[in-house]
Amino acid sequence: DAGVIQSPRHEVTEMGQEVTLRCKPISGHDYLFWYRQTMMRGLELLIYFNNNVPIDDSGMPEDRFSAKMPNASFSTLKIQPSEPRDSAVYFCASTLGLAGISSYNEQFFGPGTRLTVL
Amino acid sequence: SQQGEEDPQALSIQEGENATMNCSYKTSINNLQWYRQNSGRGLVHLILIRSNEREKHSGRLRVTLDTSKKSSSLLITASRAADTASYFCATARTYMNSGYSTLTFGKGTMLLVSP
Repeated sequence: DAGVIQSPRHEVTEMGQEVTLRCKPISGHDYLFWYRQTMMRGLELLIYFNNNVPIDDSGMPEDRFSAKMPNASFSTLKIQPSEPRDSAVYFCASTLGLAGISSYNEQFFGPGTRLTVL
Repeated sequence: SQQGEEDPQALSIQEGENATMNCSYKTSINNLQWYRQNSGRGLVHLILIRSNEREKHSGRLRVTLDTSKKSSSLLITASRAADTASYFCATARTYMNSGYSTLTFGKGTMLLVSP
């Protein structure tokens, strides 16, 4: 398996523009997570899905952020409009829930998308 | 509040020495996991220790868990320059009324191993 795939790897955009980050989880995994990593706040969970259904989006910072998972092999995280404080590395991770619980197994992370909003 | 807190924030050692990183947490957990992150890369799982386990080994890694003190340690023996990375602990909680749970990551320990 190729692992978790994210695109693009780097994104530079101007304030106010729409940004779409993409993720392909490992085939067969039933949980998908979006994280944001910054020096100040570390790694924060934004939202996660189980079997394509959003379970908890309480980590999404504002309504400008939205995420979808239209099928088991694809998810997007969209920021509209983007702001300079959204600059961070965004990670997608997936796992196979053991006994139906996501944290009983290791999470597999993608390489991340480094977003810079000017 | 942050569930896992690593200590120290940064550690610099010479090749061949052992590196010890600590993690403290605040609430009861189901398991604790350690991850490594090389610069510019995603996190990679190293080892998972369950709440009923006290010690676990994997190659040059040794993890201990003390649930009474709510702390864990990661020991890397005979370190190599390739071990240079950031190391994160992540704690897993289970919510009582559902099967869902997530991992909460600490801010990490940055390890530098010099040749």
